[in-house]
Amino acid sequence: GENVEQHPSTLSVQEGDSAVIKCTYSDSASNYFPWYKQELGKRPQLIIDIRSNVGEKKDQRIAVTLNKTAKHFSLHITETQPEDSAVYFCAAKANAGGTSYGKLTFGQGTILTVHP
Amino acid sequence: ETGVTQSPTHLIKTRGQQVTLRCSSQSGHNTVSWYQQALGQGPQFIFQYYREEENGRGNFPPRFSGLQFPNYSSELNVNALELDDSALYLCASSFPGANVLTFGAGSRLTVL
Repeated sequence: GENVEQHPSTLSVQEGDSAVIKCTYSDSASNYFPWYKQELGKRPQLIIDIRSNVGEKKDQRIAVTLNKTAKHFSLHITETQPEDSAVYFCAAKANAGGTSYGKLTFGQGTILTVHP
Repeated sequence: ETGVTQSPTHLIKTRGQQVTLRCSSQSGHNTVSWYQQALGQGPQFIFQYYREEENGRGNFPPRFSGLQFPNYSSELNVNALELDDSALYLCASSFPGANVLTFGAGSRLTVL
């Protein structure tokens, strides 16, 4: 089955700096890679996603890059703000055979702290 | 448009008991999946329901079971609770074939 590794487990930056979180996946059939932000005691919220036919996607201060050959993808947050502090999860999914629509395999999470 | 709602938000059970958690999917979503999130870990896929049938399952024993109703709401049942079942249980809904999942706020289960 799919295995997703996420690094680092904790990341501390100063406000205004950039933050980068990296993930690797094992299943070459994976073709959808979302990133979720989870604040303490709240639901995971999708912040950006990318499909395997795209190498990079950007949404304001957030960008995701995907290297299919190396099987890794990264989240980049620029101009970080204290409200970016949260746990970030990467995930991967393979849409094979129509039975895995909901099956996301998540990484272990990265606790991001942005200091004012 | 309503989001995904789950109940109860918190509950405490003892080992060996049974628990039922409930989920109402987002309006228009007819696919529901359940995840277990242990403290400090990423969510782990339990199973998915579509058209009232389970059509995908993760590495969870049979004592984890579920239902989906005609209105697309869903239940997660766990029998013979163990201490390691203590976790946040997340429900997520989606359109069939869609990648994007919308999560509920979860039900936090503590097993003593």
